[in-house]
Amino acid sequence: DAGVIQSPRHEVTEMGQEVTLRCKPISGHDYLFWYRQTMMRGLELLIYFNNNVPIDDSGMPEDRFSAKMPNASFSTLKIQPSEPRDSAVYFCASSWGNGYTFGSGTRLTVV
Amino acid sequence: GESVGLHLPTLSVQEGDNSIINCAYSNSASDYFIWYKQESGKGPQFIIDIRSNMDKRQGQRVTVLLNKTVKHLSLQIAATQPGDSAVYFCAERGTGANNLFFGTGTRLTVIP
Repeated sequence: DAGVIQSPRHEVTEMGQEVTLRCKPISGHDYLFWYRQTMMRGLELLIYFNNNVPIDDSGMPEDRFSAKMPNASFSTLKIQPSEPRDSAVYFCASSWGNGYTFGSGTRLTVV
Repeated sequence: GESVGLHLPTLSVQEGDNSIINCAYSNSASDYFIWYKQESGKGPQFIIDIRSNMDKRQGQRVTVLLNKTVKHLSLQIAATQPGDSAVYFCAERGTGANNLFFGTGTRLTVIP
């Protein structure tokens, strides 16, 4: 199993641009989570899905952030427009039961 | 809300010594806890977990202790090796919940 796959690994964009982060969960996992990691705030849960349905998006910072899961094998996190304070590492994780597996993350830099 | 915090942000140990990383949690209703290891440039990697109906669980060179009375979790690493150098996070999951809340992390440095 290739694990949770995220792309891109690194993204540098200018303020105001749209950014789309992608995640492919582990096959068979029914939950998918998006986390953001910063030095100041650590690992924060942004949103999570169960069977492709968003369950809790209370961690999404503002309307500029949106996430979708059109099918069981793909999810996106979009930021539009991006701002420098969005710079962070974004992790996707998937789980089934008690098994939570994280991807390698996308390091986003907004300049 | 739930919160998970760590007592020590950094820990340095000599190679071969045992390491103890501590974590305090505030939600007495949490029923599942996980320790993760994160190396530079990588995602959190599962180390060991424990359910709230247990107070100790052992893995290979690692032991997790859970003290529900004082809401404290610890990770013990035996014979610490240079490859153990990383940031360690504890995470908790509330009863009936599916998402994990993470502590702030402890950076472990192993001195050769």
